[in-house]
Amino acid sequence: KNQVEQSPQSLIILEGKNCTLQCNYTVSPFSNLRWYKQDTGRGPVSLTIMTFSENTKSNGRYTATLDADTKQSSLHITASQLSDSASYICVVSAQTGFQKLVFGTGTRLLVSP
Amino acid sequence: EAQVTQNPRYLITVTGKKLTVTCSQNMNHEYMSWYRQDPGLGLRQIYYSMNVEVTDKGDVPEGYKVSRKEKRNFPLILESPSPNQTSLYFCASTSGANEKLFFGSGTQLSVL
Repeated sequence: KNQVEQSPQSLIILEGKNCTLQCNYTVSPFSNLRWYKQDTGRGPVSLTIMTFSENTKSNGRYTATLDADTKQSSLHITASQLSDSASYICVVSAQTGFQKLVFGTGTRLLVSP
Repeated sequence: EAQVTQNPRYLITVTGKKLTVTCSQNMNHEYMSWYRQDPGLGLRQIYYSMNVEVTDKGDVPEGYKVSRKEKRNFPLILESPSPNQTSLYFCASTSGANEKLFFGSGTQLSVL
């Protein structure tokens, strides 16, 4: 069964600190892995998309890594800001062609002043 | 500004009363889709469309209909809503299967 599991479920960090969110997947055949940021009550916003051949991709203070062998990904947030408080969703595309996306349930991050 | 626009933002209705949630995108995207998001579950795809007049079922299509008569619009229709369709709904569009999705702001639907 195609699944995406994220950890931790929730996380509280102090402003200015770094953090790393984890994503494990059992999705086959793999096409790409995405990270989205979702503010409460709003639509998700794309942070990164990585294909099989990419093992790291950055978007400002966000850096995603991908290990396709172990089927793991991480999202590292550097020098956190209050505006980083949101849910972060890992999404794996299960096949090429039109997107068959498998969504994780997200990690809820709270950045505290 | 590139965006996906959904309306309404909030909707409260009663069981069996037909409703339509509109979705429009201004990016000339071919691909559009609808998702629902429930607490403790990841987003689940309801329907998708690869072009005008081309639609197909996603993972949870029961109780929903869609149409794609124009490239920019992709309305979601609930002909006889039931309480188990109470959820947060998102419309999304993209230019390609491996490109990023642009999501609307969401429609919070409550069916009493």
